[in-house]
Amino acid sequence: AQTVTQSQPEMSVQEAETVTLSCTYDTSESDYYLFWYKQPPSRQMILVIRQEAYKQQNATENRFSVNFQKAAKSFSLKISDSQLGDAAMYFCAYGETSGSRLTFGEGTQLTVNP
Amino acid sequence: DAGVIQSPRHEVTEMGQEVTLRCKPISGHDYLFWYRQTMMRGLELLIYFNNNVPIDDSGMPEDRFSAKMPNASFSTLKIQPSEPRDSAVYFCASSPLRAMNTGELFFGEGSRLTVL
Repeated sequence: AQTVTQSQPEMSVQEAETVTLSCTYDTSESDYYLFWYKQPPSRQMILVIRQEAYKQQNATENRFSVNFQKAAKSFSLKISDSQLGDAAMYFCAYGETSGSRLTFGEGTQLTVNP
Repeated sequence: DAGVIQSPRHEVTEMGQEVTLRCKPISGHDYLFWYRQTMMRGLELLIYFNNNVPIDDSGMPEDRFSAKMPNASFSTLKIQPSEPRDSAVYFCASSPLRAMNTGELFFGEGSRLTVL
């Protein structure tokens, strides 16, 4: 079974600075998807960024980018120019290409200090 | 288009009572998921449906839990009888077929259940 591990329960960053959230996963599959979801205090889960495992190029979405290291099974999220609205719980997730199941990590609570 | 709609947003009940959580997926979405979020276990997939048919219910913790999807626009998750350890946030999510190979799910705002 696939597992996703986020080793940082909490992180903090100063506004306008850069922060990196870590995620590792375990799978025997060669093709899969990886995601970062954001959960603000409103509770709703929001997709931040997605990476296909067959793509070598790291995904980017505006201030959000990932560092995907397939051999190391590592998938970190970098937030540049952090904003107060980035404060939330961030979940790393693994998705199978053959199905719909998403496996989530434990989450990292990000605090952005003004 | 409206997002995934869940009700109630908050529910407080006493042990032994029946609890029914409701979900309206995004119109046109073929897949519907029920997740449970707790501090101890994080986000767990309970069950998911494709075109109203349950596909995988292996995450349903016990026979006390049941889920139905009588039509494409409505699903329920029922707990009977409820226990304090069922206290959690229950999320419903939906996804269109075209997104299933990318894994993107559209989540509701969750139903926070407290069982006293």
